[in-house]
Formats: sequence, structure tokens, C-alpha cells
Amino acid sequence: DAGVIQSPRHEVTEMGQEVTLRCKPISGHDYLFWYRQTMMRGLELLIYFNNNVPIDDSGMPEDRFSAKMPNASFSTLKIQPSEPRDSAVYFCASSPTNPTGQGLYYEQYFGPGTRLTVT
Amino acid sequence: KQEVTQIPAALSVPEGENLVLNCSFTDSAIYNLQWFRQDPGKGLTSLLLIQSSQREQTSGRLNASLDKSSGRSTLYIAASQPGDSATYLCAVSTGTASKLTFGTGTRLQVTL
Repeated sequence: DAGVIQSPRHEVTEMGQEVTLRCKPISGHDYLFWYRQTMMRGLELLIYFNNNVPIDDSGMPEDRFSAKMPNASFSTLKIQPSEPRDSAVYFCASSPTNPTGQGLYYEQYFGPGTRLTVT
Repeated sequence: KQEVTQIPAALSVPEGENLVLNCSFTDSAIYNLQWFRQDPGKGLTSLLLIQSSQREQTSGRLNASLDKSSGRSTLYIAASQPGDSATYLCAVSTGTASKLTFGTGTRLQVTL
């Protein structure tokens, strides 16, 4: 498997523009996570999906951020309108479900990230 | 709210030394703890996952221990190599098994 795939790897945009980040999880994984990493705040969970359904979006900073997962192999994170403070590295990760169903889970596998710069 | 702290923030050691990285967390009601490695400009690579019922996990030269009651974990790296140079992050899952809270990381440099 190619691992978690993210695109684009780098994005530079002007304030006010719409930005769409894309993620393809590992085939067979039913959890998908979006994270943001900055020097000031470290790695923060924004939202995660289970079987394409958003489970917890409490980390999404504000209404300008939205995420979708239309099918098991694709997810998007959209920022509209973008602001300079959104500049960060955005990671997507996926994980399979523990087959015993005891509420435990396997490791999360991370993509290479998208470095977003908003000027 | 779970808080995860890693000490030291940065560490430089000569090749061949054994070293210990520390991770502490404020809420001991965790499902599991995971150690990651991050190379500059890259994503995270999972190194070890310890379930809450376990005390330690080993993989090659790496050994991670977990003391849930005291809210601590250590990552032991034996016979360090320059290729071990990276940032090491620990993360714990609480609340729901899928939600990770990350520490700020320890930046490790192994010199020749």
C-alpha cells in the first residue's frame, strides 16, 4: 500500500482565498483524522471520521473550516476564507478498527502533510 | 482537559549512548499511549503503541514503558545512532479511543 496520500504537498495562497486539502487514507482503514501542526500549538486534532461519518469536530477552530468524507477513499479539508493565522502543516491520518471491538484501536498512520502558507 | 508534557525539549548525545525520553500526562484514564517519530518536513511514523493494560512494548532498540497511575511513560533508545536524530512525540488517547492528545516533542540529535 502507498500509505496515506495527501495533496497538495505545498500550498501558498492569499488571504481570503478558498483552500482545499485532500487526503486518501490507507485502503481498509475506517478511521480518518485531520490534524494541524504549528510551532506555537504543536499537533492538534481538528476532526475525525469513522466509516465516513464525522464523529468529533470539536477541534475545528471556527466556521471557516469544514471537512467532508464522501466515500471511504477520499476526504477534504476546506478553509474559506483563509487567513494568515491558518498557516500550518495539515496532516491526515488513518487507522483500522480493533477487531475485538473493545474500544481500543490500532496505530494511526500519517500522511506527509500539506504545508499551507497564507499571505 | 488532558495535557501531555515531554522533557527534555531537546537533547544532544554522542553516538552509542543509551538515552531516555520522558512523557507525562495529567489524566490517567487513558486507552493507550503511542510514541511517534517525526523527521524534518515529514509526517509522523508510529514507533510503539502501549495499550492501557500493558506496562511496556519493545521494538528493536526501542523500549517504551507505561505507568498509568502516575501518568508517565518513557521511551528508551539503546545504542543511539545518527539516524535516530528526529523529533519524538508521545500521544495519549482519552475520552474516546480514537482521539489523540500530543505532547510538544523532544528534538533528539545524535552526533558522530
